[in-house]
Amino acid sequence: DQQVKQNSPSLSVQEGRISILNCDYTNSMFDYFLWYKKYPAEGPTFLISISSIKDKNEDGRFTVFLNKSAKHLSLHIVPSQPGDSAVYFCAARGRYNQGGKLIFGQGTELSVKP
Amino acid sequence: NAGVTQTPKFRVLKTGQSMTLLCAQDMNHEYMYWYRQDPGMGLRLIHYSVGEGTTAKGEVPDGYNVSRLKKQNFLLGLESAAPSQTSVYFCASTPGRVDYGYTFGSGTRLTVV
Repeated sequence: DQQVKQNSPSLSVQEGRISILNCDYTNSMFDYFLWYKKYPAEGPTFLISISSIKDKNEDGRFTVFLNKSAKHLSLHIVPSQPGDSAVYFCAARGRYNQGGKLIFGQGTELSVKP
Repeated sequence: NAGVTQTPKFRVLKTGQSMTLLCAQDMNHEYMYWYRQDPGMGLRLIHYSVGEGTTAKGEVPDGYNVSRLKKQNFLLGLESAAPSQTSVYFCASTPGRVDYGYTFGSGTRLTVV
C-alpha cells in the first residue's frame, strides 16, 4: 500500500526549460510534504518543503505546489540546469505522527540535457 | 562539520553472517532513522529513535535490530543476513522539526550472497 506515489520513474528535459516532477498521496492526514534530491553514491539532500496549510512555497528556482483536493503535489524547477540531474523523492509526514517519520515515494530520475 | 557519517560504505556478507552498521551524527539531533533503498521502492523506514535509549519499529523492521546507547550514535544490526537484505542503507537525523528536513548519511551498500 503505497501512500506516496511518484508515477514517473524518469523525466528528460532540455536545459533552460521547466522541469515538473509530480507526486500523489492517498492519506488526507498528511500535514507536511518535502522534496529531496539524490545524486549517485550520495545520501538524499533536503530541497524544499510545504505545510498542508499552504498551496505554494518558493525557493529560488524551485517551487512546490500543493493541491489538497486532488492529493497532489508538484515540484517545478525553472530554469532547469544540467546540475539538476538527479533522483528526486517526495516525502510526507502524518499529522499525528510520532517521531517525525517520513514516508517516501519511489523517486523520479531527472535528466537535464545541455 | 561532518554531519551524518555511516560506516562501512560497502560490505559483502554471506547468508547467515551478522554485522552492525554504524551511524554517527555531530549535530546534537534528537531523532535518528534507518532507511533502506531498493529499486522501484523508494526509501522505506526500518527503525527509528526519538532520543537516547529509545528505539521503535518502522515499516520494514523484520530481520534488523537497533540500539541508541548514546545520543550521537544509532546502530543497525543484522543478526543473520539474508539475500533479501541486499540494499543500500541510509541513516538520517533531524532536530525534531519537520521543516528542517532530515540530514542523511552517504549510505552503506550491502550485498548478501
